[in-house]
Amino acid sequence: GAVVSQHPSWVICKSGTSVKIECRSLDFQATTMFWYRQFPKQSLMLMATSNEGSKATYEQGVEKDKFLINHASLTLSTLTVTSAHPEDSSFYICSALMGPSIYEQYFGPGTRLTVT
Amino acid sequence: DAKTTQPTSMDCAEGRAANLPCNHSTISGNEYVYWYRQIHSQGPQYIIHGLKNNETNEMASLIITEDRKSSTLILPHATLRDTAVYYCIPISSGSARQLTFGSGTQLTVLP
Repeated sequence: GAVVSQHPSWVICKSGTSVKIECRSLDFQATTMFWYRQFPKQSLMLMATSNEGSKATYEQGVEKDKFLINHASLTLSTLTVTSAHPEDSSFYICSALMGPSIYEQYFGPGTRLTVT
Repeated sequence: DAKTTQPTSMDCAEGRAANLPCNHSTISGNEYVYWYRQIHSQGPQYIIHGLKNNETNEMASLIITEDRKSSTLILPHATLRDTAVYYCIPISSGSARQLTFGSGTQLTVLP
């Protein structure tokens, strides 16, 4: 149990275009999902917290108009990187919480974004 | 949340126990100690957590000192697939449960 999927697993896009990444909890409902970004040889950095049915909460320094997050259902959150630039190239990872009193986060496999 | 200190890297022979230490001397009474690991180019994986008692599950054991200022994650019989970066992360109960990943320990299991 507690499986989280991400799609796509990797994507290459041209500078200026937008890319959508999906995060799904396959066998549980997730009221809260998190989005992280990881640059090469660095640790994961939290970008935003996504709660079902409400606006995402972004970490300081993360542009909410550039990284659009939608958590439309209890099993799906999406991250859209708008007007992507080469510096947005990174490994994007989502995670999900199984419930309000559960603290373990279950992570997706990650999405490798390369902007050319 | 409490700050943590972990060794940058460790090696372990395959089949032997891997003992990964974590110092969290500023941990508060309501902070759990969580351990995650990240295999290269994959999402992190939850391993185990504890408050003050030692814990064991199918993956690992967690030993927390009586003063709670440090803990040790034990992989009893390390395999090559356990090669990963291991993160020790304190999380307080009632928090937003966001994870702050430090540098972690790169464990390399050697054949």
